[in-house]
Amino acid sequence: GAVVSQHPSRVICKSGTSVKIECRSLDFQATTMFWYRQFPKQSLMLMATSNEGSKATYEQGVEKDKFLINHASLTLSTLTVTSAHPEDSSFYICSALGQEVDEQYFGPGTRLTVT
Amino acid sequence: AQKITQTQPGMFVQEKEAVTLDCTYDTSDPSYGLFWYKQPSSGEMIFLIYQGSYDQQNATEGRYSLNFQKARKSANLVISASQLGDSAMYFCAMREGSNSGYALNFGKGTSLLVTP
Repeated sequence: GAVVSQHPSRVICKSGTSVKIECRSLDFQATTMFWYRQFPKQSLMLMATSNEGSKATYEQGVEKDKFLINHASLTLSTLTVTSAHPEDSSFYICSALGQEVDEQYFGPGTRLTVT
Repeated sequence: AQKITQTQPGMFVQEKEAVTLDCTYDTSDPSYGLFWYKQPSSGEMIFLIYQGSYDQQNATEGRYSLNFQKARKSANLVISASQLGDSAMYFCAMREGSNSGYALNFGKGTSLLVTP
């Protein structure tokens, strides 16, 4: 199946700093990517929908100025957590849509710890 | 309102036995898709099986089958011949609408433990 990568897989940063997470579709072009957040022992919650060449659509309650999303090419979307705080510590996982209705490919996730 | 409900926070099954993980959903859209994912402790989301709302037959993929009861709005996952490696979190998810550009709504998950 199609492959989606995320980088970094783990990151520890200090409170107040910014962290960028990359999501790449390695062998296909993805006009739409999604960013999810998963707190420990909880489900995946959609944060935003990232469309190539246009502004991301954020879910209610997700601050667009804090979670900056850039989908500058058909194979790359980035999520930047600005001025990170300990409550932003979470597992961030992206997915990319394939051509068929049942194709949604997930990246391996990024575990962010803010100290 | 919760769109996907998984009522079993945890399940145990003995190796080689079959297990059913429950999932009910709520939508008024006639076109939707139902997914099951496995998430081991590493965190990666592994796609298991897909059922479209207009599919006439229940989906099957190897040891995984989906018991789709449209009138009851349920989409239970059946894992046959459980293996130790099946121990993981299992999430049911739904995509509403015929446009595949929609994100998935996930249930809270079921933790499955397969015992020897």
